[in-house]
Amino acid sequence: GESVGLHLPTLSVQEGDNSIINCAYSNSASDYFIWYKQESGKGPQFIIDIRSNMDKRQGQRVTVLLNKTVKHLSLQIAATQPGDSAVYFCAENLPSGFSGGYNKLIFGAGTRLAVHP
Amino acid sequence: ETGVTQSPTHLIKTRGQQVTLRCSSQSGHNTVSWYQQALGQGPQFIFQYYREEENGRGNFPPRFSGLQFPNYSSELNVNALELDDSALYLCASSQQGTQETQYFGPGTRLLVL
Repeated sequence: GESVGLHLPTLSVQEGDNSIINCAYSNSASDYFIWYKQESGKGPQFIIDIRSNMDKRQGQRVTVLLNKTVKHLSLQIAATQPGDSAVYFCAENLPSGFSGGYNKLIFGAGTRLAVHP
Repeated sequence: ETGVTQSPTHLIKTRGQQVTLRCSSQSGHNTVSWYQQALGQGPQFIFQYYREEENGRGNFPPRFSGLQFPNYSSELNVNALELDDSALYLCASSQQGTQETQYFGPGTRLLVL
């Protein structure tokens, strides 16, 4: 089926702690993965991406890890801040050869990150 | 800011009516994808437009239709609105390729009464 699922619907952390948001994806053929952040009343905002030929990518305070063996993706946020509070979505890109001729982005339901001072 | 704009921001319609939502893509992007996001859920793919033609569609009925214009802006039309069509409608633009990031607009919140 088509699904990108997140294990924890809500994650609560203390300000300054590190956060880890996990995601399981279902399509072995997916070749590209993206994490988005969505604040209340706004559209999803690109955070970081990773190609399937990589297993780790780092950005500013964020790291994405990809384990293709178990089809697992994680987002690590260092020194979590109140401004990081939002819903986080992982999305997998199913290439055109597997989705009928176009690159198909499949989202999960999201994890809410709540940062407490 | 992504450079993707959508209008209107909010809309209230009654069941059976028709609605048109608009999206302007980010400069340099030639592909627009539309998504429906129900409250508490992830975005669900409706369809994608490239070079003014629909080149991919999700599990949505034909009353959901769209257009893409030569300047790559796009419209989403929904006929015979149903209560379950109430949602946030998102458009995302990208540059057609094998692995291209989609950048989202702020969305249009549609309420069907």
